[in-house]
Amino acid sequence: ETGVTQSPTHLIKTRGQQVTLRCSSQSGHNTVSWYQQALGQGPQFIFQYYREEENGRGNFPPRFSGLQFPNYSSELNVNALELDDSALYLCASSPGTPGTASPLHFGNGTRLTVT
Amino acid sequence: DQQVKQNSPSLSVQEGRISILNCDYTNSMFDYFLWYKKYPAEGPTFLISISSIKDKNEDGRFTVFLNKSAKHLSLHIVPSQPGDSAVYFCAASGNSGGSNYKLTFGKGTLLTVNP
Repeated sequence: ETGVTQSPTHLIKTRGQQVTLRCSSQSGHNTVSWYQQALGQGPQFIFQYYREEENGRGNFPPRFSGLQFPNYSSELNVNALELDDSALYLCASSPGTPGTASPLHFGNGTRLTVT
Repeated sequence: DQQVKQNSPSLSVQEGRISILNCDYTNSMFDYFLWYKKYPAEGPTFLISISSIKDKNEDGRFTVFLNKSAKHLSLHIVPSQPGDSAVYFCAASGNSGGSNYKLTFGKGTLLTVNP
């Protein structure tokens, strides 16, 4: 039991639409990260939030945005969906501050399909 | 540009034998390395990590070896068990990112342990 819950588990959207994915972390996990895992690839870092502020971003366009809330929940928003956005989106949290030895705990992911 | 490479997409071993999973990296700024295990329909689960100041870290049946000069690390599982069958991801972080910041993942190696 990872303590990281993601919803929904599966989602189908049409190109051009917008989507919001949700994540609920364990109490005390102030660091949350989002990763995109395309088929046959390893997870790729999208961005990280620490205490409700963006703390770092990977090579993703601005139409990928996020929010972190005081109750240890977070959101990933993707605007103007493209076919290549089809992937497994993973949320991961950590009880430690960014840059410590406290490893990330991943949720089971949301499988997004864009048609 | 694949900064973390797992060149073996799959590995098959007999129960009780040693499993050796390999990982190479190109970015000399990486200073923390992790292994994650992933079962189908689940998120990655943290297995073991090592910082660049060490060359070996052991946890039960799992040992990670780091060769900084060769930019190579390996995960040894002894003895291998059927429950170890999963996809194993090698991940790295740099610039003192520790174990929870901007992880760069390899594409994974599917380990199958045969009874």
